Amino acid sequence: AQSVTQLGSHVSVSEGALVLLRCNYSSSVPPYLFWYVQYPNQGLQLLLKYTSAATLVKGINGFEAEFKKSETSFHLTKPSAHMSDAAEYFCAVSPASGYSTLTFGKGTMLLVSP
Amino acid sequence: DADVTQTPRNRITKTGKRIMLECSQTKGHDRMYWYRQDPGLGLQLIYYSFDVKDINKGEISDGYSVSRQAQAKFSLSLESAIPNQTALYFCATSETSSGSYNEQFFGPGTRLTVL
Repeated sequence: AQSVTQLGSHVSVSEGALVLLRCNYSSSVPPYLFWYVQYPNQGLQLLLKYTSAATLVKGINGFEAEFKKSETSFHLTKPSAHMSDAAEYFCAVSPASGYSTLTFGKGTMLLVSP
Repeated sequence: DADVTQTPRNRITKTGKRIMLECSQTKGHDRMYWYRQDPGLGLQLIYYSFDVKDINKGEISDGYSVSRQAQAKFSLSLESAIPNQTALYFCATSETSSGSYNEQFFGPGTRLTVL
């Protein structure tokens, strides 16, 4: 069984500040890990994914995440927040096997102020 | 054109009514999923289908049923809607291949309100 914990239902940053959204996972087998973003009134869009090829993963819109096995973490970062980054972000985990589903965290709403 | 479409996009109905939400995809994927999103709860899996003849219950299937009419179509039904089924519903797809890594692609969502 797998689970995901996202620390902080809301995170507020100023435009230009560092964005850090936290995700910890639990999985009994090596995982695939994902970050999705949901803009208002839209579906979920993939930001980036970890598939065991490299521990530092770069995604779209300047986001990146680092897989740390010892900490069971996959935190999402962006060096400088932009107003357009305001959205809800979801971390998800899947066992690295063919017949698996995704388990999502509860989401973190990112608020960006001018 | 959108790869994963959902109809309707918004629906208001009354308690006890039967409702069907439809999902179609042009991605050629064999796997399809239905999720429900409630504020503060993230996405919860209702049903999933790995191919046309395969249907599986997710974590919150009570009160819902599904039909996989074709590889490209997956419908979700609420036989007798109740107010606590008011939520945002998402359809998603993925493909069975070693290179997919279980990545899912989402539709735009259906906002359902049960009065």
